[in-house]
Amino acid sequence: DIQMTQSPSSVSASVGDRVTITCRASQDIINWVAWYQQKPGKAPKLLIYAASTLQSGVPSRFSGSGSGTDFILTISSLQPEDFATYYCQQSHSFPRTFGQGTKVEIK
Amino acid sequence: QVQLVQSGAEVQRPGASVKISCKASGYTFTTYFMHWVRQAPGQGLEWMGIINPTDGRSTYAQKFQSRVLMTRDTATSTVYMEMSRLRFDDTAVYYCARSEGAIWFDPWGQGTLVTVSS
Repeated sequence: DIQMTQSPSSVSASVGDRVTITCRASQDIINWVAWYQQKPGKAPKLLIYAASTLQSGVPSRFSGSGSGTDFILTISSLQPEDFATYYCQQSHSFPRTFGQGTKVEIK
Repeated sequence: QVQLVQSGAEVQRPGASVKISCKASGYTFTTYFMHWVRQAPGQGLEWMGIINPTDGRSTYAQKFQSRVLMTRDTATSTVYMEMSRLRFDDTAVYYCARSEGAIWFDPWGQGTLVTVSS
């Protein structure tokens, strides 16, 4: 199975800050990565797919980059509604696997 | 609009079975795969398996291979996930999620809480 390792596990930030979350795959997954946002008590929401493609309706302050084994989710200017947990996920092979999550908290 | 509506919360005893439904609307049911993902309390996301609504074929995570069955009813655009021999650590929110080409998960159902308790 492909392991997806996210870092950090949590980050404290203020509104307006730039936040970066890293996801490392245990093998080359080309660009088969998606990022999801999950708020408490809610289902995850797709933000970015194919490593860098913004899902329709997602604000442009979210961006993704990377290829191979290392991927990054960036929030360019954190907004109050962005405080949530973020997960990466690989679709290179079965079983599909997720990172352990990164909680973005208010500083 | 595309919607996935799941069945309500369940409380089951250890050793029992549970069957959760996920009714799709707003798109052609057989055009997209459906995944099941679960999330234990305070934990991350765990992929369970996928079903192709066109032919009903499924692929499961090895961990669930012997206890999970995913089925579909094309007449009602509904997929089902049945888990048998429930254990305490199966307590979780179970989500269905649509995907095109079995790749990205979008959208997700609202989740179904399954509590295993004696």
